[in-house]
Amino acid sequence: QKEVEQNSGPLSVPEGAIASLNCTYSDRGSQSFFWYRQYSGKSPELIMFIYSNGDKEDGRFTAQLNKASQYVSLLIRDSQPSDSATYLCAVPRQAGNMLTFGGGTRLMVKP
Amino acid sequence: DTEVTQTPKHLVMGMTNKKSLKCEQHMGHRAMYWYKQKAKKPPELMFVYSYEKLSINESVPSRFSPECPNSSLLNLHLHALQPEDSALYLCASSPGVAQETQYFGPGTRLLVL
Repeated sequence: QKEVEQNSGPLSVPEGAIASLNCTYSDRGSQSFFWYRQYSGKSPELIMFIYSNGDKEDGRFTAQLNKASQYVSLLIRDSQPSDSATYLCAVPRQAGNMLTFGGGTRLMVKP
Repeated sequence: DTEVTQTPKHLVMGMTNKKSLKCEQHMGHRAMYWYKQKAKKPPELMFVYSYEKLSINESVPSRFSPECPNSSLLNLHLHALQPEDSALYLCASSPGVAQETQYFGPGTRLLVL
């Protein structure tokens, strides 16, 4: 089992819809979880981080964490074509701050 | 200000060349990182510097040599690279090393001929 797993996609949603991106992780000791957005040819940009079980909202983005199920998700409401990118889930290894990335999910928002 | 800068943006080098990549942050962060990213793959950690000391080397070949001259600067010295080393090289920094947010620079796109 990979340490951090994501569906590679592409996930295609119409403009204005909710995009749901999912991530599972294997290290039960992980305490923090990060979502990065990466446009083609650019570097990863931090979108959200979450430490506690439940939901965390920031504008159109909501991160959801369920530590019992080892599952973290990112919801994007009112999706826009500019949201089309690869979304990377990242989880630090238990010892230290070495991020392990999932393979990324490519999101396509169609006008 | 959450800016990490990297130079150069692009670099083309031959297999016998020596070059250096530079990274700078002025956020007072005490941890800095080098990642390598191949096309359509996630970033892969290469090195971690914590409080200016090399704390993690992810079994990177010796043709890559990191250096941390001070708390704001991070270099990656390149020598005798192979074409398969062509990739996007990303620098990141974080306030500390306790599972904290990492902020990435724009990267250096490297092509080895």
